[in-house]
Amino acid sequence: GDSVTQMEGPVTLSEEAFLTINCTYTATGYPSLFWYVQYPGEGLQLLLKATKADDKGSNKGFEATYRKETTSFHLEKGSVQVSDSAVYFCALSANRGSTLGRLYFGRGTQLTVWP
Amino acid sequence: DGGITQSPKYLFRKEGQNVTLSCEQNLNHDAMYWYRQDPGQGLRLIYYSQIVNDFQKGDIAEGYSVSREKKESFPLTVTSAQKNPTAFYLCASSIDRRSTDTQYFGPGTRLTVL
Repeated sequence: GDSVTQMEGPVTLSEEAFLTINCTYTATGYPSLFWYVQYPGEGLQLLLKATKADDKGSNKGFEATYRKETTSFHLEKGSVQVSDSAVYFCALSANRGSTLGRLYFGRGTQLTVWP
Repeated sequence: DGGITQSPKYLFRKEGQNVTLSCEQNLNHDAMYWYRQDPGQGLRLIYYSQIVNDFQKGDIAEGYSVSREKKESFPLTVTSAQKNPTAFYLCASSIDRRSTDTQYFGPGTRLTVL
């Protein structure tokens, strides 16, 4: 079945460091891929998404490229800030069959950025 | 402002009691979803609904029930049959059930069983 595997946390970085959070997926067909962010005690917010192979999603300095050949959607940011401290979830949305539109989530990666 | 509201933010329940979590959206979205979040486990789908008066079970529907009598509302009842109900519950909605559609999330309800 469809699934997402993302890098286990926690990840601790100093401000202005480079961030990579790895995400790989298993899916039939051509899913859409998402990164969501969750701040303490809140719901999830969409960070970025990509709906087809080779698409790059970007927002607030974060980027991720949909790589079909490696079934990956790694999240990157060139220079993190303290305000980026949160939990990041990779997710896929199936594009056919009875699971159409359902989101499958990774376990989440806790990011802490120190000043 | 358009968005999704969930109430209450915190909920305490005694064992053996049913409790209903509210989810309302004014985004005019057709599809709505309920997820359960436990530490270190990501989000798991409980129920989803594509249209009024229709809903389907997700991966962990046992011990839960839902209704969809209005487009804007998708309440979740946690019944006494749910063996481990303490968790953070998130409601979401999307325009439709297409894979490309973004799901928008509410702020969540934290349920604690005493």
